[in-house]
Amino acid sequence: NAGVTQTPKFRVLKTGQSMTLLCAQDMNHEYMYWYRQDPGMGLRLIHYSVGEGTTAKGEVPDGYNVSRLKKQNFLLGLESAAPSQTSVYFCASSDGTGGNQPQHFGDGTRLSIL
Amino acid sequence: EDQVTQSPEALRLQEGESSSLNCSYTVSGLRGLFWYRQDPGKGPEFLFTLYSAGEEKEKERLKATLTKKESFLHITAPKPEDSATYLCAVQGARRGATNKLIFGTGTLLAVQP
Repeated sequence: NAGVTQTPKFRVLKTGQSMTLLCAQDMNHEYMYWYRQDPGMGLRLIHYSVGEGTTAKGEVPDGYNVSRLKKQNFLLGLESAAPSQTSVYFCASSDGTGGNQPQHFGDGTRLSIL
Repeated sequence: EDQVTQSPEALRLQEGESSSLNCSYTVSGLRGLFWYRQDPGKGPEFLFTLYSAGEEKEKERLKATLTKKESFLHITAPKPEDSATYLCAVQGARRGATNKLIFGTGTLLAVQP
């Protein structure tokens, strides 16, 4: 049972380069989320989606774009990478029925911007 | 503004030495408080959800409790494999419709044999 799968696991970019992080979930979850985790700051929500074709901004959306063309996939894009975007990025998903549902996380993408 | 504070930042225990981790929260209309475990190089792993004050949940050596202002994660007779970072998160009424969470910065637990 794969759960939430993130690719790639590691990446090094130069300032100004672009890239896309892929998240795939096999739990048929409606909701998906992208977070970044930095030392001493906890997990911060970048963007999220409540269903196929929908996206919304989280706490720290600047410099990132997202797309949810298929229910099982949620893509995070960096158009012009900056050193401040060096971080560990986590994708999560949750069941959309009712409320209070826990989020289930992938194992992260470690991204370094030089 | 919804806020979560965890203490201590780090805790070192001897194997078998019981202790508690604290999660203090401020949220408008608590819909759920969540505990996660995170191992190095891995994503957070869901442990418990608590919904209302007075509720308790248990799993092996872990027991989570909830009051109106804080939650405790009690670790009884810990083993080295319990070493991890433990994260607390809350969902308030404003975020309930989308299951969005506010996370604390975690407690790094090290259990020495």
